[in-house]
Amino acid sequence: DTGVSQNPRHKITKRGQNVTFRCDPISEHNRLYWYRQTLGQGPEFLTYFQNEAQLEKSRLLSDRFSAERPKGSFSTLEIQRTEQGDSAMYLCASTSILDGVNTGELFFGEGSRLTVL
Amino acid sequence: AQRVTQPEKLLSVFKGAPVELKCNYSYSGSPELFWYVQYSRQRLQLLLRHISRESIKGFTADLNKGETSFHLKKPFAQEEDSAMYYCALSVRQNTDKLIFGTGTRLQVFP
Repeated sequence: DTGVSQNPRHKITKRGQNVTFRCDPISEHNRLYWYRQTLGQGPEFLTYFQNEAQLEKSRLLSDRFSAERPKGSFSTLEIQRTEQGDSAMYLCASTSILDGVNTGELFFGEGSRLTVL
Repeated sequence: AQRVTQPEKLLSVFKGAPVELKCNYSYSGSPELFWYVQYSRQRLQLLLRHISRESIKGFTADLNKGETSFHLKKPFAQEEDSAMYYCALSVRQNTDKLIFGTGTRLQVFP
């Protein structure tokens, strides 16, 4: 296992186009997070899943954003009708919750960088 | 509102000098604090967590609830410590999500 994997690593698109990012978490991890990071800022929480259930969505996640984790394994983050303000690094992280206990360690992917022209 | 503040964007020191990266938080509940680090061309990774009260790579951090701070310290900086450091707050038990600060870039000169 090579850790959390994200694809594509880079995406350049024109304003108004749709983009989709994929995240493959560490295989035994049941919790998956999406974060967004812009220049000079720390990662900002977008949403997270426990298995296939999406448990929380940030107000940052507008109606143009949708995330899925259909089988509780990989996840996709789709952005429709992209805007220049969507340009950012999109980070995926995973962790494991066992018996309701979590160590607090998130394992991050290398991120998918989106540039909207 | 929950917030993490890292007042310094950049901290530059010489090798062997002490380092303190500041972190203050705002949270009305019982906080869980973490430091994450991102070395050049590597992914973001956990450095240490306050509940473990451990020293990792010579770094320590003590939670001060009175001052709502969780500063990261190292007595003698090494060049390999150069990286981006993020303080993070868990807003609920079992880390439903982390709120990150804006980060501090540590540069250690030889």
